[in-house]
Amino acid sequence: KQEVTQIPAALSVPEGENLVLNCSFTDSAIYNLQWFRQDPGKGLTSLLLIQSSQREQTSGRLNASLDKSSGRSTLYIAASQPGDSATYLCAVGGSNQAGTALIFGKGTTLSVSS
Amino acid sequence: DAGVTQSPTHLIKTRGQQVTLRCSPKSGHDTVSWYQQALGQGPQFIFQYYEEEERQRGNFPDRFSGHQFPNYSSELNVNALLLGDSALYLCASSSDRGGYEQYFGPGTRLTVT
Repeated sequence: KQEVTQIPAALSVPEGENLVLNCSFTDSAIYNLQWFRQDPGKGLTSLLLIQSSQREQTSGRLNASLDKSSGRSTLYIAASQPGDSATYLCAVGGSNQAGTALIFGKGTTLSVSS
Repeated sequence: DAGVTQSPTHLIKTRGQQVTLRCSPKSGHDTVSWYQQALGQGPQFIFQYYEEEERQRGNFPDRFSGHQFPNYSSELNVNALLLGDSALYLCASSSDRGGYEQYFGPGTRLTVT
């Protein structure tokens, strides 16, 4: 059974700091991995999608890496801003032959102070 | 492109009642998934619909059922509501052309009293 763990559960940093959020998963047979952002009481916004054959993806100040063999992904946020304050969720997708359900971690709640 | 839309935004029901939530997928998407998110937790997969059939199901009781229509929109039905069903219900759509990247709607907040 796939399990996803995110560390740390919460993180507080001053504006401008670079930071790394960690995600680990127990079954390396994944189809893809997505990072999401969630603001309080809102839906999820997709940040980055990494297919199982890829090692990393970049979008603006965000960079996500994937190491399937070790069951790990990291989300790197450069030059953090107060607007980055949110909960960040990591989710792994199963084989597309049986459906592509996402299994989520509990998230890392980020607070960036000005 | 309107993205994924869900209705209603909020809903209050009484224990034992039944509820129907609705979802319209992003344009060009043919696969719809439903998730339940309790406070402080990550979303949990309920089921996924493709070509009007339930393709995959998570660990949820039969009280949770769904449907997908020919236009790819979907409904989630929950019977015999329990207090523990109170949660944010999220709908996500995707397609194979997009590498199954899932796009989420704003969610429906269900409160059971």
